[in-house]
Amino acid sequence: DAMVIQNPRYQVTQFGKPVTLSCSQTLNHNVMYWYQQKSSQAPKLLFHYYDKDFNNEADTPDNFQSRRPNTSFCFLDIRSPGLGDTAMYLCATSRVRGSEQFFGPGTRLTVL
Amino acid sequence: EDQVTQSPEALRLQEGESSSLNCSYTVSGLRGLFWYRQDPGKGPEFLFTLYSAGEEKEKERLKATLTKKESFLHITAPKPEDSATYLCAVLDWDDKIIFGKGTRLHILP
Repeated sequence: DAMVIQNPRYQVTQFGKPVTLSCSQTLNHNVMYWYQQKSSQAPKLLFHYYDKDFNNEADTPDNFQSRRPNTSFCFLDIRSPGLGDTAMYLCATSRVRGSEQFFGPGTRLTVL
Repeated sequence: EDQVTQSPEALRLQEGESSSLNCSYTVSGLRGLFWYRQDPGKGPEFLFTLYSAGEEKEKERLKATLTKKESFLHITAPKPEDSATYLCAVLDWDDKIIFGKGTRLHILP
C-alpha cells in the first residue's frame, strides 16, 4: 500500500543534542510538509517542499532545518533542541499544493 | 488574520446519539476546507474536502457541509469506534493551510 513512513516513532534526546527525524513516501507526491503538534493543539506547519522548492514558515525557529534529497525522502533536523520542542512531529504529503494531505504516523520527540 | 475555530472542544455522546461538530473560519479567501480524523498517538487521516458553499460530502456515518462562514461535521448514530479527534483545516488563496485545534469526540457504548 502507498504510504507515508516516519522514523523513528519515538525519540528521546537531551537538551541541546541534535536530532534528525526522517520521512519517506511511496505516493510519489510532489509536496511534502513538516508539522509540529503539541498536546491538544492544532498541527503547526513548520515548512514544506513543493518539489525541490523549499518554503519556510515565518515563525519557524532557526533551530529547525529541513532537507529533501529526492522526491521520496524528507528530513527534519533540530540543531539544538530545547525543552519546548517536545512534541509530535508529523510529516505529510499532497499530490499538488493545496490538495488533501496524507499524514505519516508521527514521531513523538521528548527533550530531557 | 486567518483563523479557524472548532467547537465544542470535547463532546461525549452515547452510542447512537447523533450530533454535529462545528468549524468556523475567517480567511481572506477560502480555496478549500478539509476534515481529518486523528486517533491518539497517530497522524491525521483525511476524510473530506469541500470547496464551495452548499457542498456536502458523505462517508458512512459522517456528513460534512459547508457555508460561507462555517462547516459542520454531522455524525449519525455514532459507534464507539468513531471516538477520535476531528480536525478541520482551511486553505486560502495564498496556499496557506490553517488547522483548528480539533474536537475530541468520545462515544460511550
